Amino acid sequence: QSVVTQPPSASGTPGQRVTISCSGSNSNIGSNNIYWYQQLPGTAPKLLIYKNDQRPSGVPDRFSGSKSGTSASLAISGLRSEDEADYYCSTWDNSLTGRVFGGGTKLTVL
Amino acid sequence: EVQLVESGGGLVQPGGSLRLSCAVSGFILSDHYMDWVRQAPGKGLEWVGRSKNEANSYTTQYAASVKGRFTISRDDSTNSLYLQMNSLATEDTAVYYCATPPSPSEGYLYYWGQGTLVTVSS
Repeated sequence: QSVVTQPPSASGTPGQRVTISCSGSNSNIGSNNIYWYQQLPGTAPKLLIYKNDQRPSGVPDRFSGSKSGTSASLAISGLRSEDEADYYCSTWDNSLTGRVFGGGTKLTVL
Repeated sequence: EVQLVESGGGLVQPGGSLRLSCAVSGFILSDHYMDWVRQAPGKGLEWVGRSKNEANSYTTQYAASVKGRFTISRDDSTNSLYLQMNSLATEDTAVYYCATPPSPSEGYLYYWGQGTLVTVSS
């Protein structure tokens, strides 16, 4: 079990807005930046959000991130079929002295 | 263009050893932190460890699950990162990715390789 927790699944219909949560503690999310990755089947993870709420070049503005205290969330608006993927939050844990990933959330577009 | 290409995966028996390689191009390896991340079949991402850059004396850090069994090293002259894995167990079966930040001043993983599969089985 990871020290940062995500719901195992989420779903929505095309055009909807969905959010994925990531919950941790003061030693990880509470004191470090959060990052979000999208992983399509059979491919390497792709960075979606860095430093809590920043989007890399090329990532649509439908994707947004936020952080408050020891929790963070990823929001996807205008849901599209190609958004169906696994999503992971990641941060550094000061107690473990290591990078941690959430368990991942499988997003299904109905 | 930044590229990371892993190799060296395969089938190994429990208790055995394997060395993975990550060939990099498009950036100066000595300037960059380099991480290994793995993903067991059907499971989530798990950080394995990292090698800091030359400015930080190439210090290595490891996840508790691999500490004492895995060793990260690099050869900047050949633009290669390595992961030496000893005393392998079935739970080490995974796709292993090497990854690096977009620049030496950043701490997050941006560039990833395609991964190499390690299967530990008798």
